[in-house]
Amino acid sequence: QKEVEQNSGPLSVPEGAIASLNCTYSDRGSQSFFWYRQYSGKSPELIMFIYSNGDKEDGRFTAQLNKASQYVSLLIRDSQPSDSATYLCAVRPGGGADGLTFGKGTHLIIQP
Amino acid sequence: DTAVSQTPKYLVTQMGNDKSIKCEQNLGHDTMYWYKQDSKKFLKIMFSYNNKELIINETVPNRFSPKSPDKAHLNLHINSLELGDSAVYFCASSQEGIIQYFGAGTRLSVL
Repeated sequence: QKEVEQNSGPLSVPEGAIASLNCTYSDRGSQSFFWYRQYSGKSPELIMFIYSNGDKEDGRFTAQLNKASQYVSLLIRDSQPSDSATYLCAVRPGGGADGLTFGKGTHLIIQP
Repeated sequence: DTAVSQTPKYLVTQMGNDKSIKCEQNLGHDTMYWYKQDSKKFLKIMFSYNNKELIINETVPNRFSPKSPDKAHLNLHINSLELGDSAVYFCASSQEGIIQYFGAGTRLSVL
């Protein structure tokens, strides 16, 4: 079974510091990788997606992908209390399958 | 203008009842989905559907059936509701495999 693993947390980070969120996946043929943020009682919001090995930056967010290690990470620089949420890693499987497989999410708490 | 809208937001019903959740997207996307998020916040795909093909997650009971009257709508019909069906159900759509928007979710409580 194709799986996406995340540490459930909570991960507590001081305001202004870098938050580092990690994710591993089992399907080596996976095509693309996504990070979503979900506030309590709300729907997931897409933060970033990445297809190629390396880093992709968007504002305070950087996604990192290492396909050889089957590892995806999300860095949040200058963390703000409003970044406190659950962060969901999602993977689009290979083989032409549609839809995303989600991890169970990491609960991030930014301490003022 | 909401990209993906679903109704109702809350649904409380008795075991054994049949219910439907509606979803509409105005993004012109070809593919729509239903996801279930359980009490532990685990988000699992139930169905993906484009106008040609329905793909069903094999773990979904056949009491659940998607119905698509047109490309912009994918409704979820649930027969003979069970306690374990209580969850939040999210609709979503994608273009080129990127799910940019989810609906606001339908919180289903089966009593």
